[in-house]
Amino acid sequence: DAGITQSPRYKITETGRQVTLMCHQTWSHSYMFWYRQDLGHGLRLIYYSAAADITDKGEVPDGYVVSRSKTENFPLTLESATRSQTSVYFCASSESRRNTEAFFGQGTRLTVV
Amino acid sequence: GENVEQHPSTLSVQEGDSAVIKCTYSDSASNYFPWYKQELGKRPQLIIDIRSNVGEKKDQRIAVTLNKTAKHFSLHITETQPEDSAVYFCAASLRSGGSNYKLTFGKGTLLTVNP
Repeated sequence: DAGITQSPRYKITETGRQVTLMCHQTWSHSYMFWYRQDLGHGLRLIYYSAAADITDKGEVPDGYVVSRSKTENFPLTLESATRSQTSVYFCASSESRRNTEAFFGQGTRLTVV
Repeated sequence: GENVEQHPSTLSVQEGDSAVIKCTYSDSASNYFPWYKQELGKRPQLIIDIRSNVGEKKDQRIAVTLNKTAKHFSLHITETQPEDSAVYFCAASLRSGGSNYKLTFGKGTLLTVNP
């Protein structure tokens, strides 16, 4: 599980600021995902990526931007943070086009004040 | 898109009893159904999964059943232990357009095993 890491682990930011959450995996997995976890909502998909330069929206993409210029990195940017984006964010990766296990990073707890 | 419903949201059992968590999914094209366990403050981790060509799968004290016709699947934990206490998530994988797929999760079940 050490193969997928997120940074920072904790972040406090102010409303309106731009913030980027980083995700890095060392397995060369094709698929990468960003989820947010909120009490009562479980894990909701924000964006996902099938390969470098291929990204697509998930269930709750508004207010977020992603990029994937390299296979191993999948940063998530909040362009103008809002209090409703206070959450725990999980990045995950998966091996191939077949349905296989998704491995999660340790999460980033983001607080927007 | 895919919608996954999970019940119950909380479940409390006595040590040694069995626990059952149920999920339904909406899209008949889904073909992969994993279950994740998340301990407090930790990341979700896969505990068992099942593919649509299989009706049941077992791994020691945990088992998963799948009913494709009814579009529901269940997690069964037997002889529960305090260390089974955690949040459990079911998920369904939908193959969307092209080569992409996405994993849709239920809202989770908080399982508490009382000693």
